[in-house]
Amino acid sequence: EAGVAQSPRYKIIEKRQSVAFWCNPISGHATLYWYQQILGQGPKLLIQFQNNGVVDDSQLPKDRFSAERLKGVDSTLKIQPAKLEDSAVYLCASSLGAGSGANVLTFGAGSRLTVL
Amino acid sequence: GDSVTQMEGPVTLSEEAFLTINCTYTATGYPSLFWYVQYPGEGLQLLLKATKADDKGSNKGFEATYRKETTSFHLEKGSVQVSDSAVYFCAPRAYYNQGGKLIFGQGTELSVKP
Repeated sequence: EAGVAQSPRYKIIEKRQSVAFWCNPISGHATLYWYQQILGQGPKLLIQFQNNGVVDDSQLPKDRFSAERLKGVDSTLKIQPAKLEDSAVYLCASSLGAGSGANVLTFGAGSRLTVL
Repeated sequence: GDSVTQMEGPVTLSEEAFLTINCTYTATGYPSLFWYVQYPGEGLQLLLKATKADDKGSNKGFEATYRKETTSFHLEKGSVQVSDSAVYFCAPRAYYNQGGKLIFGQGTELSVKP
């Protein structure tokens, strides 16, 4: 099966500019996650969708970050305006659902953001 | 809230050495437990998992046993290879009513020398 697709793979912007990342999950996966991985750290959950509804966005900096999954399939994560500390890899993952703890999360290759 | 603590790296071993990477967690309820691996320049990949107490997950010669009494999920391999050089992440998966999200440790970098 096709994996989780993400684009762009790399993005360099200046602070205060905006950027958007796109994710297409595995077909049939109802749950979609966006994680932020800062260099040298473990991934941190930013937002989780179940179909097109938000399950958890408690760690999303809502003053600058937004995300949507309008049709319950692909998703976009936006940052506006970007700060230096937003430099990180943004990982998208999907799973069949959130109801079974055994459901495996499959990750995309990530989008690496550098803010200058 | 739920959290996980991993052994700090980097860990440097010679080829064929024995590997242990410690992982302990705190979690509400009865989480499933995962180890993910990130090879240089690649994305996160599932290495192994265990879903209930005393289950042993295994893959590619790596093993980890779900120890509920000690809330641990230590990763072991009897004989490491240079190709095992990567960053390893322990990750309990939260209960359904917490969204079923993975909670990652800080990662342990493993470097295997020939």
